[in-house]
Amino acid sequence: KAGVTQTPRYLIKTRGQQVTLSCSPISGHRSVSWYQQTPGQGLQFLFEYFSETQRNKGNFPGRFSGRQFSNSRSEMNVSTLELGDSALYLCASSQGTVDQPQHFGDGTRLSIL
Amino acid sequence: GQQLNQSPQSMFIQEGEDVSMNCTSSSIFNTWLWYKQDPGEGPVLLIALYKAGELTSNGRLTAQFGITRKDSFLNISASIPSDVGIYFCAGRRAGNNRKLIWGLGTSLAVNP
Repeated sequence: KAGVTQTPRYLIKTRGQQVTLSCSPISGHRSVSWYQQTPGQGLQFLFEYFSETQRNKGNFPGRFSGRQFSNSRSEMNVSTLELGDSALYLCASSQGTVDQPQHFGDGTRLSIL
Repeated sequence: GQQLNQSPQSMFIQEGEDVSMNCTSSSIFNTWLWYKQDPGEGPVLLIALYKAGELTSNGRLTAQFGITRKDSFLNISASIPSDVGIYFCAGRRAGNNRKLIWGLGTSLAVNP
């Protein structure tokens, strides 16, 4: 069974640019969550999508947005990139009920120059 | 955002030793999850716990859902070099059980 797939694995951008990251969940999983991971800060929750609707949101500015498609694939967009946005962005999928744990992809490493 | 208190922050042990780490919170939790993250990869689920007092094993790993529902423990027996990595706890609070709250991780190094 294929796991969670994130593309691209690595990305280099400059300040002010925008970026779109992609996540394909495990087949049959309807929930996709996005996290930002930086050294010393752990995993910071960005948002969760379920059946194409944002179901939960973390405390990130509006520059961070996402969407989910009918096939459960999800994209995350960050506009007007800042140096502090450099991080590992992780996507996790689950069946969507609270008794089902999340399964992670290997992340997209975003570096801002 | 809210985070769990995970300790210790890091550990350096000899191969063959047992390891213990824990997560605590001032809130009551309905779910505790333990993940391991290797360098360059995403976290991998090790053990999921859903009931107070529950004790679950996965090979050499054993995790417990604290009886007070405010803490959880992970033990690794007879450590081996491939146990190296960062271990994260995560949980869902009672009453707000959709969002996962995370610890900052325990970094484990094993000396062969």
